Amino acid sequence: DTGVSQDPRHKITKRGQNVTFRCDPISEHNRLYWYRQTLGQGPEFLTYFQNEAQLEKSRLLSDRFSAERPKGSFSTLEIQRTEQGDSAMYLCASSLFSGAFFGQGTRLTVV
Amino acid sequence: AQTVTQSQPEMSVQEAETVTLSCTYDTSENNYYLFWYKQPPSRQMILVIRQEAYKQQNATENRFSVNFQKAAKSFSLKISDSQLGDTAMYFCALHGSGNTGKLIFGQGTTLQVKP
Repeated sequence: DTGVSQDPRHKITKRGQNVTFRCDPISEHNRLYWYRQTLGQGPEFLTYFQNEAQLEKSRLLSDRFSAERPKGSFSTLEIQRTEQGDSAMYLCASSLFSGAFFGQGTRLTVV
Repeated sequence: AQTVTQSQPEMSVQEAETVTLSCTYDTSENNYYLFWYKQPPSRQMILVIRQEAYKQQNATENRFSVNFQKAAKSFSLKISDSQLGDTAMYFCALHGSGNTGKLIFGQGTTLQVKP
């Protein structure tokens, strides 16, 4: 499978715990994005990497959120001290030019 | 700021018929890209069709076509010969010609294809 892969698919965590999600983009894609999607809404941009450089972060990305893309390959998104409001689908996408390809997402539930 | 608006929260169509989903947008850029994405109940977002703003010809992909009206900032999606597998949420999205390629999405339209 050469699509965008995300792990885990589902994560249930207790409030206050830290969680980390992984995204493996399409191998030749140099651009990688994280989005957040709540039920019935369109995805909202969180952050963007070009190769290993994080070039843009949304105001939605509070201090509790951090993303990395070491060596310009896979990326991780960590949420520290999770809150119930963090419950959402976290989508990763990658692209080479215009038009991004999305993974299946990680559904986070904070209880 | 760039915005995308989809004013139809839900639509339905009979199998084999044609349906049109509406989208309007706002951007100050002269060159930009518009997209329609499909998100079936399994939740993976799939790119359906892409339009570059500097191209006047409307994009077509098999049963999917767009009506791009640049002056009106309108970008509708027409699905011909609707199939049960077209049942999904459809999102209109926009990104500018800058380097990031980040997408701004509309609120989505839920399309139900009825047998």
